[in-house]
Amino acid sequence: GQQVMQIPQYQHVQEGEDFTTYCNSSTTLSNIQWYKQRPGGHPVFLIQLVKSGEVKKQKRLTFQFGEAKKNSSLHITATQTTDVGTYFCAGHRDSNYQLIWGAGTKLIIKP
Amino acid sequence: GAGVSQSPSNKVTEKGKDVELRCDPISGHTALYWYRQSLGQGLEFLIYFQGNSAPDKSGLPSDRFSAERTGGSVSTLTIQRTQQEDSAVYLCASSLAPSGYYYGYTFGSGTRLTVV
Repeated sequence: GQQVMQIPQYQHVQEGEDFTTYCNSSTTLSNIQWYKQRPGGHPVFLIQLVKSGEVKKQKRLTFQFGEAKKNSSLHITATQTTDVGTYFCAGHRDSNYQLIWGAGTKLIIKP
Repeated sequence: GAGVSQSPSNKVTEKGKDVELRCDPISGHTALYWYRQSLGQGLEFLIYFQGNSAPDKSGLPSDRFSAERTGGSVSTLTIQRTQQEDSAVYLCASSLAPSGYYYGYTFGSGTRLTVV
């Protein structure tokens, strides 16, 4: 079946360093969504990208959707302790099908 | 309500007992989902309700698991004869658009189930 692979599983960074997580789908997606789950919390919707090659920014977060609509990335510039958590990508095969989830990337800030 | 409400927030049960977990979605959200998340793991899909359509039960791990949604609103996930491997956080989510397109899923805070 269709899968969304997300890497890395974990990333340890010093505060102030950048962080990137990548998602790759085996087939074309109609959209990609990103969620953040704080430790002990639940996933919270961050953003959706729909267009091929689309780039969106939210303050220090930059989201990209690949030209072929099969991959996506989330980049955080100058991480802060508030960025700690697990970032999930998820995509739709089509608008009538439920989300297909990546396994998440856990961002850990080194003390 | 303003968000997705789940109850109880924590449940400890003895192996072999039945449990019921409740989810109250955002008013007007036609789609409702149940997921399971084991400690440090990703989201495991369980079941999806969309309006009056037959639910997608393809993620239910065994016939001990069942769910219903009454009146297109509140949903109950029932686990019969609980096993220790059922211990996890059970997350409910709802969405305005079918399948969560455009606006994504809104998750509840979850029910942490511990089977002892």
